[in-house]
Amino acid sequence: NAGVMQNPRHLVRRRGQEARLRCSPMKGHSHVYWYRQLPEEGLKFMVYLQKENIIDESGMPKERFSAEFPKEGPSILRIQQVVRGDSAAYFCASSARPAIRGPGLARQYFGPGTRLTVT
Amino acid sequence: SQKIEQNSEALNIQEGKTATLTCNYTNYSPAYLQWYRQDPGRGPVFLLLIRENEKEKRKERLKVTFDTTLKQSLFHITASQPADSATYLCAPVLRGGYNKLIFGAGTRLAVHP
Repeated sequence: NAGVMQNPRHLVRRRGQEARLRCSPMKGHSHVYWYRQLPEEGLKFMVYLQKENIIDESGMPKERFSAEFPKEGPSILRIQQVVRGDSAAYFCASSARPAIRGPGLARQYFGPGTRLTVT
Repeated sequence: SQKIEQNSEALNIQEGKTATLTCNYTNYSPAYLQWYRQDPGRGPVFLLLIRENEKEKRKERLKVTFDTTLKQSLFHITASQPADSATYLCAPVLRGGYNKLIFGAGTRLAVHP
C-alpha cells in the first residue's frame, strides 16, 4: 500500500537549467498539492491540482514555475531557468476527496519530498 | 500581517516527562488547527486535528488544546520517549482555504534517555 511517491529525492541543477519534479499520489487519490519548504521556514502552499485541472495556483511564482497533473501519469512541477533561490525541499501531498470537503474528510498525505539544490 | 509562531529553539526533555509545544497565531481565524510531525528528510505526517468549537482533543499519549480567544494551541506528549524526537508543525486551516495548508516553522523536540 504505497504512499505518495516523489522522485527524484535529490536533484542538483546549475543556474539556468530546468528542474522537473514528479509526484505520484496515493492509489485512489486524484487531488494533488505542491508545497515548498525553505530552510528554517514552514511549508508554503504552491498549487492544487485535480486530474487535468489546476484548481488553485495562488502560491506559485508568476514566472518560471508551472505544474500539471495529466490524465495518465504523475503530477509534474517544472521550474525553468533555475536560480539559487529555488533551492529548497519540494513536497507533494495528495487527498482522496476534494479539498473543499475540509481537512477532516480531505486529509492531505505527504510524500518524502525532493531536495533541489541549485549550484 | 498573518503570522504563526512556534518555539524556534529546540525543546530538550527527559524521557518519561511531558513535552508541551506552543503555537500562537495572529491575524488568523482558523476553523481548524492541525499538528504534524516531521522527521529529517521526510514529509510531514498528520497527528491530530482540532475544530474551532473543540477545546481539547486526545489521541493515545497526545493531547491538543485550542483557545480561539488567546489564539493559541498547545500540543502535549505525555510519557515522552526518545522515538518522539522530531520537529512538530502547527498548521491552522482557514475556512474556505482548505486546499492551502499553512504551516509554522516547527519546534524541534529532543527526548533524552
